[in-house]
Parts: sequence; C-alpha cells; structure tokens
Amino acid sequence: EPEVTQTPSHQVTQMGQEVILRCVPISNHLYFYWYRQILGQKVEFLVSFYNNEISEKSEIFDDQFSVERPDGSNFTLKIRSTKLEDSAMYFCASKAGGAGELFFGEGSRLTVL
Amino acid sequence: QKEVEQNSGPLSVPEGAIASLNCTYSDRGSQSFFWYRQYSGKSPELIMFIYSNGDKEDGRFTAQLNKASQYVSLLIRDSQPSDSATYLCAVNPTGGSNYKLTFGKGTLLTVNP
Repeated sequence: EPEVTQTPSHQVTQMGQEVILRCVPISNHLYFYWYRQILGQKVEFLVSFYNNEISEKSEIFDDQFSVERPDGSNFTLKIRSTKLEDSAMYFCASKAGGAGELFFGEGSRLTVL
Repeated sequence: QKEVEQNSGPLSVPEGAIASLNCTYSDRGSQSFFWYRQYSGKSPELIMFIYSNGDKEDGRFTAQLNKASQYVSLLIRDSQPSDSATYLCAVNPTGGSNYKLTFGKGTLLTVNP
C-alpha cells in the first residue's frame, strides 16, 4: 500500500539552528501538507501546498518556516532558526484531487534544546 | 477562532460494548468532518469521513452528523481492546479538495478485556 514517508524520525537540535524535515508524499497525490502536534496537544495545521505553491498557511507558519518541493517527489519543511517552542511532532500528509482521504506520514519528532 | 471540542476522557468501556464519542464545532459553515484514530506516538489514521447530515456506517463504526446542532459523533460497536486509542475529530471549513483541518484535542478510549 502506498504511504507517505518522512525523515528523520527524530531530530535533536540546538536553539537557533536550521532544521529541514523531509517527506516523500504518495506519488500521484496533488495536495501536500505539514501539520504539527506538540506533546499532549492538538494536531495543528501549518501549511498546504498545491500546484507548486503554498495554497494556505496558518498563523503558526511565520517567516521562520518555509516549504519546498524541489524535485517533484520530495516535500520539505525548513525551520530557519529553531526555538524551544518548535519542539513537536511534525506530520507530512498528502491527498489526491477531489474528496478523499488525507494520508499522514509517521512523523518527525523535533526536539529543540 | 474556529474550535473543535471533544471530551478528553478517558472513556472506558468493556469489551463488546458500544463506545460513543462526541464532537462539537464552532464554524457553522464547515463542510466535511473526519474521525481519526491515533495510537500513542503514532500518526493519525482515518476511520471515517462524513459530509451530509445523518448517519454513515462502515463496519463497526457509525459516524453521525447534525449540522444544525454543529455536532458530529462516532459510535464504535462491539468494542475491542485494539480500539483503545485517542480518537480525533477534525473539521474542514470548506467543501473543496484542499483540506485545512482543525482538530479537536481527542478523546482517549480504553476498552477493557
């Protein structure tokens, strides 16, 4: 069964460092997303990406965050200068066109020290 | 601020019983509604989605939607210990293909053998 894959599964970084989280969405999907979940809290929408551009973003997705689909298969989330409060599980997700299921990856746990 | 509210639980039911999970949402214009299951430390897995008022059944699961009351529920019949997880309600504010989901905090369900 096709799946969304994410790397790394866990990353530990120092505050102020740049982090790139990588995702390979399901191959024929059109919509790509990043969500995050701080430990013990809700899953929160960060950004959606369609047709090679950001289609929506939340208030959380400020100038420190960026996304890119550099080569038609990978979808990356960059955090330019990490803060302690960026520590969370980051989920990549993708879906096909039309109605249907949003498929989540297994997540990348980011710990900022 | 669009909100999705769920009882945090824990909800404890005996094996074989019916588990009833409830969710209310604040955005009256919301169009599509999702129930996800999340095991501890794992990513959300879709159980069901529902768009229209009424009931939708899939195996042991029934989703119920009442847009007038801004209420969506999930019934799990013949509950099994493997159903023990956190159940997340998620709401999409638009009817389009792009999913900007707002999640509730989840209800922890424990099914006792």
